[in-house]
Amino acid sequence: GIQVEQSPPDLILQEGANSTLRCNFSDSVNNLQWFHQNPWGQLINLFYIPSGTKQNGRLSATTVATERYSLLYISSSQTTDSGVYFCAVERDGGFKTIFGAGTRLFVKA
Amino acid sequence: GAVVSQHPSRVICKSGTSVKIECRSLDFQATTMFWYRQFPKQSLMLMATSNEGSKATYEQGVEKDKFLINHASLTLSTLTVTSAHPEDSSFYICSAGKMAVNQPQHFGDGTRLSIL
Repeated sequence: GIQVEQSPPDLILQEGANSTLRCNFSDSVNNLQWFHQNPWGQLINLFYIPSGTKQNGRLSATTVATERYSLLYISSSQTTDSGVYFCAVERDGGFKTIFGAGTRLFVKA
Repeated sequence: GAVVSQHPSRVICKSGTSVKIECRSLDFQATTMFWYRQFPKQSLMLMATSNEGSKATYEQGVEKDKFLINHASLTLSTLTVTSAHPEDSSFYICSAGKMAVNQPQHFGDGTRLSIL
């Protein structure tokens, strides 16, 4: 099956710093989503981005489908950005959504 | 936007009991829903694909007799953990989508199951 790799696995930032999270995938995909999982377990949908670039406030994402990777940028990080960020993909030709292992982010005040 | 509702949000019960978790798509018809399991500090692992009007498709290593899935209508799928034991304690999340290219999956808020 398709492999989804996220890096880094863990990240500690000082408040105000910028960061880039990466997601590599091993096969063509229909769909790619970035999620933030809060401490209560809720998955907050950040971006639906099978290709191209999108921005939402301090967050932006870019997916280069031909090279099989996606990047999530967090600028001017805040303590509330702490949590786990997941990349999830749907394989081209199928509708199962497969998750990466996640990046655990901690933003220090 | 589309919403998926999952109930209950938390369950604590004794070993040996069966627990039913509901997943509803509130504003669209979902012919297919997905069930995931997440252990602490791990990722979401796909357990099964729930198909309306037919049998669920289970991922390798998931016991179908342990985790019964019913998808009786286009808006409701249920997961029943039968004869639950402490090792079944986990966070269970469902998702639903419109099953078309370029349509995102929408996730429920999850159910935290604790078996004593």
